[in-house]
Amino acid sequence: AQSVAQPEDQVNVAEGNPLTVKCTYSVSGNPYLFWYVQYPNRGLQFLLKYITGDNLVKGSYGFEAEFNKSQTSFHLKKPSALVSDSALYFCAVRGYNNNDMRFGAGTRLTVKP
Amino acid sequence: NAGVTQTPKFQVLKTGQSMTLQCAQDMNHEYMSWYRQDPGMGLRLIHYSVGAGITDQGEVPNGYNVSRSTTEDFPLRLLSAAPSQTSVYFCASSIQGARPETQYFGPGTRLLVL
Repeated sequence: AQSVAQPEDQVNVAEGNPLTVKCTYSVSGNPYLFWYVQYPNRGLQFLLKYITGDNLVKGSYGFEAEFNKSQTSFHLKKPSALVSDSALYFCAVRGYNNNDMRFGAGTRLTVKP
Repeated sequence: NAGVTQTPKFQVLKTGQSMTLQCAQDMNHEYMSWYRQDPGMGLRLIHYSVGAGITDQGEVPNGYNVSRSTTEDFPLRLLSAAPSQTSVYFCASSIQGARPETQYFGPGTRLLVL
């Protein structure tokens, strides 16, 4: 079955600095990759997804992610972090024709003023 | 649209009790799923459904039952609650297309089993 790894439990950045939240995946065949964000006491909200096409995917709130097939990675990035970006971020993978979506353990992003 | 709704928001059960977590969506989505969220483990898929009358097991199905009699509703049943089922439960839905689609999540149900 497919799987996702988020190697960092916590990422701390200063406001205005670029941020990266890392994700690597394992799947048979072509991957379908997603990033979701969770604010305290809320459900998950969709940020962006990679299905096919350009390796650089742009999503909500200025976030983007780069699909790297050779490194099996799908890192989330933002050029300039905001305090309001502080939240829990989840990477997820779903194989083609496979309804079983697997999530990573999550990375808590803290942006300090 | 209300999106994905879940009830109750919070529930306390005693070991051995049964209960049903309700999930409904008004977006006419064919695909619905249940996840549990535990600290340090992310979200794990319990059961999913690709349409009315069709359900399948996910990663952690033991101790849970589901049914899908309508497109809108996808209840999750705990037959005999155990402390290990203490968790936050999320329901999600999406279009069931040729490719995996974005899922929309409900606000969650926090369950405590004593």
